[in-house]
Amino acid sequence: GESVGLHLPTLSVQEGDNSIINCAYSNSASDYFIWYKQESGKGPQFIIDIRSNMDKRQGQRVTVLLNKTVKHLSLQIAATQPGDSAVYFCAENGVDSSYKLIFGSGTRLLVRP
Amino acid sequence: EPEVTQTPSHQVTQMGQEVILRCVPISNHLYFYWYRQILGQKVEFLVSFYNNEISEKSEIFDDQFSVERPDGSNFTLKIRSTKLEDSAMYFCASRSQGGEAQHFGDGTRLSIL
Repeated sequence: GESVGLHLPTLSVQEGDNSIINCAYSNSASDYFIWYKQESGKGPQFIIDIRSNMDKRQGQRVTVLLNKTVKHLSLQIAATQPGDSAVYFCAENGVDSSYKLIFGSGTRLLVRP
Repeated sequence: EPEVTQTPSHQVTQMGQEVILRCVPISNHLYFYWYRQILGQKVEFLVSFYNNEISEKSEIFDDQFSVERPDGSNFTLKIRSTKLEDSAMYFCASRSQGGEAQHFGDGTRLSIL
């Protein structure tokens, strides 16, 4: 069946260090992936996306890497800041017509000052 | 920046009562979604809506649930007879015709007593 999962439930990093959040997906037919950030009491906030015909995409301080061979997705955050503390979800955009999102279980990122 | 807005932010309802959750999607978006997140769990897809009809629904979206776009701006989720297990955060999301990324509101916390 379809599933998207995460390796690490909690990640603690020092302010200024780089963070890497990982995600595994099981549907090899998925062609679009998204990372969302969710702060307490807020909805998922779009961070970055990547299509399956790409291996890497960069944004402002964030990079998403896609390894289709092992069905693995990662989010790299450079120079992590206290404001980056949140739960991060990867999501898989299904290939059906509705493009529903299938979310992973989330990783909590804690930034130590 | 345009955003999805949801009201109310918190709804407390007696079990068995009807509840309507409201959403105003981003104005030029054409695809609309409802998701829910039970406390401590991942975000789950409920239903997608396009061109004034449901395009896909999950197993959670049973006969007690319905959606409606009563006018050009609102998108509502109705639960006819609420159950204790309906307690969750409910998120509305929308996306544009050409874009794939879904943008989320900050949710309605539904508490069933």
